[in-house]
Amino acid sequence: AQKITQTQPGMFVQEKEAVTLDCTYDTSDQSYGLFWYKQPSSGEMIFLIYQGSYDEQNATEGRYSLNFQKARKSANLVISASQLGDSAMYFCAMREPYSGNTPLVFGKGTRLSVIA
Amino acid sequence: EADIYQTPRYLVIGTGKKITLECSQTMGHDKMYWYQQDPGMELHLIHYSYGVNSTEKGDLSSESTVSRIRTEHFPLTLESARPSHTSQYLCASSEGTSTNSPLHFGNGTRLTVT
Repeated sequence: AQKITQTQPGMFVQEKEAVTLDCTYDTSDQSYGLFWYKQPSSGEMIFLIYQGSYDEQNATEGRYSLNFQKARKSANLVISASQLGDSAMYFCAMREPYSGNTPLVFGKGTRLSVIA
Repeated sequence: EADIYQTPRYLVIGTGKKITLECSQTMGHDKMYWYQQDPGMELHLIHYSYGVNSTEKGDLSSESTVSRIRTEHFPLTLESARPSHTSQYLCASSEGTSTNSPLHFGNGTRLTVT
């Protein structure tokens, strides 16, 4: 079974609009960490934002915020005021158990295209 | 800013050749990882290491080996390259003590086996 599910292979958004990229996860652990990465066409992986399972508030980093709904096991990434440079692949990932001693498991990604 | 370096950036090699992909980091991180990624697809874990002389296999490890003799260096070796190995290989590292520590990635090696 997929640990991380990203159901949107591709998304389009108008410049300056907000966009939500979906991510659901599967775990039986109470403690876990969720991450979002951006991968531009150049290929490097850029860390965007982190959410811990015990964090009571949704994580925010600049224009990025994470809509964390623990009961639904979803961790959607919200990008506000989209820019042309946001066009990239976006990957959701999870670390479990919440120990820092395990590799990340990645979803299949969502390709975001920002239109001028 | 992460300091993790991979060489070569691009490599084209013939079937049957032995190759080593280099990965070095200057951050003193204990944890290091190798992922394989086809273009636009998900990342698959190949190998990882918790520290010197520690290596573990991931999901796609069967045709490659790694070593961790020094903290900063985590090379990946393919003993006999095949066209099915054509892919991007991403090396990453993370801090050893922080449970929320992200992976810091290198720029990757794009391998083509002819």
